[in-house]
Amino acid sequence: DGGITQSPKYLFRKEGQNVTLSCEQNLNHDAMYWYRQDPGQGLRLIYYSQIVNDFQKGDIAEGYSVSREKKESFPLTVTSAQKNPTAFYLCASSINDRGETQYFGPGTRLLVL
Amino acid sequence: AQSVTQPDIHITVSEGASLELRCNYSYGATPYLFWYVQSPGQGLQLLLKYFSGDTLVQGIKGFEAEFKRSQSSFNLRKPSVHWSDAAEYFCAVWGGSQGNLIFGKGTKLSVKP
Repeated sequence: DGGITQSPKYLFRKEGQNVTLSCEQNLNHDAMYWYRQDPGQGLRLIYYSQIVNDFQKGDIAEGYSVSREKKESFPLTVTSAQKNPTAFYLCASSINDRGETQYFGPGTRLLVL
Repeated sequence: AQSVTQPDIHITVSEGASLELRCNYSYGATPYLFWYVQSPGQGLQLLLKYFSGDTLVQGIKGFEAEFKRSQSSFNLRKPSVHWSDAAEYFCAVWGGSQGNLIFGKGTKLSVKP
């Protein structure tokens, strides 16, 4: 079955630690996205990538980093500079670089110890 | 700037009753509009989308939505709600550029037996 997978489902971060969230898609989609979801806030765009080896900042990129070395993979690193990382993180992909129809993975919940 | 407003934070309906979730958008040109559903702790599932043409669009799970340009609205409806419809619903508008999918803050639907 084609789809988007995210791992782990839950992730715990200690103070000063960088953590990486995985996102993989086997839909052969060109573009991939990372969103952050906080209760009552909807979704906010962190980073997106239209093609391999290229990515753009979204609305709340500070404290996060990404890479796109393969078409099917778009990992997100939450760095120690992100002071309020507790949230639900959603990865999405779209078939083309216009990005108007996006499909979502199951999410990763990040908690701070 | 583009924006999406979902006026109702939480709605409770009885099982078998009809449902209408409101969505208003702000966008200068013809918008691309979407409704997504999210079950607790899960990712977002696309219910339906409007790009152009017939202003009444049918989606999955028996949902439909009507685009009304004069009211800048894209309300989601279902004639008879089932207990399994309890979830959070998000309206979104595509702003016309890569990565620019703007979400409302969501409406949580509870279903009474």
